[in-house]
Amino acid sequence: AQRVTQPEKLLSVFKGAPVELKCNYSYSGSPELFWYVQYSRQRLQLLLRHISRESIKGFTADLNKGETSFHLKKPFAQEEDSAMYYCALMVQGAQKLVFGQGTRLTINP
Amino acid sequence: DAGITQSPRHKVTETGTPVTLRCHQTENHRYMYWYRQDPGHGLRLIHYSYGVKDTDKGEVSDGYSVSRSKTEDFLLTLESATSSQTSVYFCAIGDRGTGELFFGEGSRLTVL
Repeated sequence: AQRVTQPEKLLSVFKGAPVELKCNYSYSGSPELFWYVQYSRQRLQLLLRHISRESIKGFTADLNKGETSFHLKKPFAQEEDSAMYYCALMVQGAQKLVFGQGTRLTINP
Repeated sequence: DAGITQSPRHKVTETGTPVTLRCHQTENHRYMYWYRQDPGHGLRLIHYSYGVKDTDKGEVSDGYSVSRSKTEDFLLTLESATSSQTSVYFCAIGDRGTGELFFGEGSRLTVL
């Protein structure tokens, strides 16, 4: 069965410090992974997807099939990065996203 | 924001009463989803639809039913609400191939 695990419910770092939000997955097929973000009083929205290999708002995420991980990283955190972050896995064929438990990131000034 | 609206946005009801949440889209997307968001559980899929009258169960479908009689509307019904169904419900829409879902603003349901 497919599963996404985000081990940290809460993560707090200081502004300017590096950030890493962990995500591990379990999936028998070829994984397609995403990070979604929910800022305060805003809708949940896509942050980035692994197939794009892009950097959005300074965030990057690399798919590591050997470790079944898709950790989200940013070298220098900003206060506006404070939000709820969800890692998600696309179940092929069914076209549905399976989400992790979420990590609430707080950036302290 | 994608053209997706949920109603009602807030509802308080009593145990045993029926409740229907509506999701309406103006984007003509094929796929529609209902998720519930709970602390410690993240977002869990209740039901989803891949076309008019085509629906399937998600991981937490017990106690919920859905209907999609036209492309733009996806209804979630709790036949007899229970306190365990107190949650924030999110509707999402998407199309095959991108993996990107667009979410509604959420409907906060409290079952007393």
